[in-house]
Amino acid sequence: RKEVEQDPGPFNVPEGATVAFNCTYSNSASQSFFWYRQDCRKEPKLLMSVYSSGNEDGRFTAQLNRASQYISLLIRDSKLSDSATYLCVVTQNSGNTPLVFGKGTRLSVIA
Amino acid sequence: DADVTQTPRNRITKTGKRIMLECSQTKGHDRMYWYRQDPGLGLRLIYYSFDVKDINKGEISDGYSVSRQAQAKFSLSLESAIPNQTALYFCATSSGQNYGYTFGSGTRLTVV
Repeated sequence: RKEVEQDPGPFNVPEGATVAFNCTYSNSASQSFFWYRQDCRKEPKLLMSVYSSGNEDGRFTAQLNRASQYISLLIRDSKLSDSATYLCVVTQNSGNTPLVFGKGTRLSVIA
Repeated sequence: DADVTQTPRNRITKTGKRIMLECSQTKGHDRMYWYRQDPGLGLRLIYYSFDVKDINKGEISDGYSVSRQAQAKFSLSLESAIPNQTALYFCATSSGQNYGYTFGSGTRLTVV
């Protein structure tokens, strides 16, 4: 089983739609979780951390399900500018190992 | 100025040439990383360093070497470039794994 798995997409949604991505991780000892956004040919940028109780930042909501080992990202009222690849990122089980990146889910928001 | 600066931004080089990609940061982070990204393969870790005296291989270190010249500088070298090293290379920094990474803008390398 891969360490971090994401549906590659693409998800093609109309403006204003709500879209959700899931990501599963294999290491039950993972402690920290993030969603990154990457535009084409640009560097990944931190979108939001994912907290155990779930967290919201404007139109974006992230949730963690430790029992089932997945995290999710919900985008409400999609904008054209939300079109990007969204990377799921998790820690491994110790403080001295690099983060593990998923391959990303591509989102296209269509007018 | 960017927090994490990579040079050059683009480079075309010939097979067999030695090339160095440079990364410098002003964030004061101890941890630095080099990744390559290829279409469909996601980010793959080449090398990482947790301080000036610490160098660790990532999942695809063959054909690459690194130097951590200072806390703020981490260079990646391709001793003898080959075409399958054509990729987008990213440097990243971190103050700890619970805080995520900050990436540089990337170096697009083409080996012909």
